[in-house]
Amino acid sequence: KAGVTQTPRYLIKTRGQQVTLSCSPISGHRSVSWYQQTPGQGLQFLFEYFSETQRNKGNFPGRFSGRQFSNSRSEMNVSTLELGDSALYLCASSLASGGIHPSFFGPGTRLTVL
Amino acid sequence: DQQVKQNSPSLSVQEGRISILNCDYTNSMFDYFLWYKKYPAEGPTFLISISSIKDKNEDGRFTVFLNKSAKHLSLHIVPSQPGDSAVYFCAARPTGANSKLTFGKGITLSVRP
Repeated sequence: KAGVTQTPRYLIKTRGQQVTLSCSPISGHRSVSWYQQTPGQGLQFLFEYFSETQRNKGNFPGRFSGRQFSNSRSEMNVSTLELGDSALYLCASSLASGGIHPSFFGPGTRLTVL
Repeated sequence: DQQVKQNSPSLSVQEGRISILNCDYTNSMFDYFLWYKKYPAEGPTFLISISSIKDKNEDGRFTVFLNKSAKHLSLHIVPSQPGDSAVYFCAARPTGANSKLTFGKGITLSVRP
């Protein structure tokens, strides 16, 4: 069974640009959640999608958005990039929404904003 | 405000000895706690969890202890192995179908051969 895949793995952008990251969950999983990992803050929850609906949202500005497609693949978008957005973005998949915990994480997308 | 705190950024232990990783939380609504392990260039993987109705959960070499009155939990690894060297994240969530996980900043464990 293939794991959670994220593309691209590495990305370099400049301030003011926008970026779109993609996550494909494990086959059969319908919930995808996104996290931002930075050295100073650890892992912080961004949002969760289930059946194309956002079920939960963290404390991030509106520049961070996401969506989920009918095949459960999810994308997150960050507009008007800031230097502080440089981080590892992780997505996790689960069978159902509101599950006890996300068990399967992807390897992450390393975003660098210059 | 960091609701889940892992105050020690790193820990170094000799192979075969016990590793004790600590985690404190401030939100009294948290009732489910988890530990994740993360190797470089990989995503975190779920390790072990504990519900607030228990004070101990064991899975092989890994045991998690929960002290609700002190709002403290710890992960014990016995015996420690070099392959256990990784970053360990503590996480917690409150009751509720759509409640979200709050993670600590992580602690880097190094197990010396």
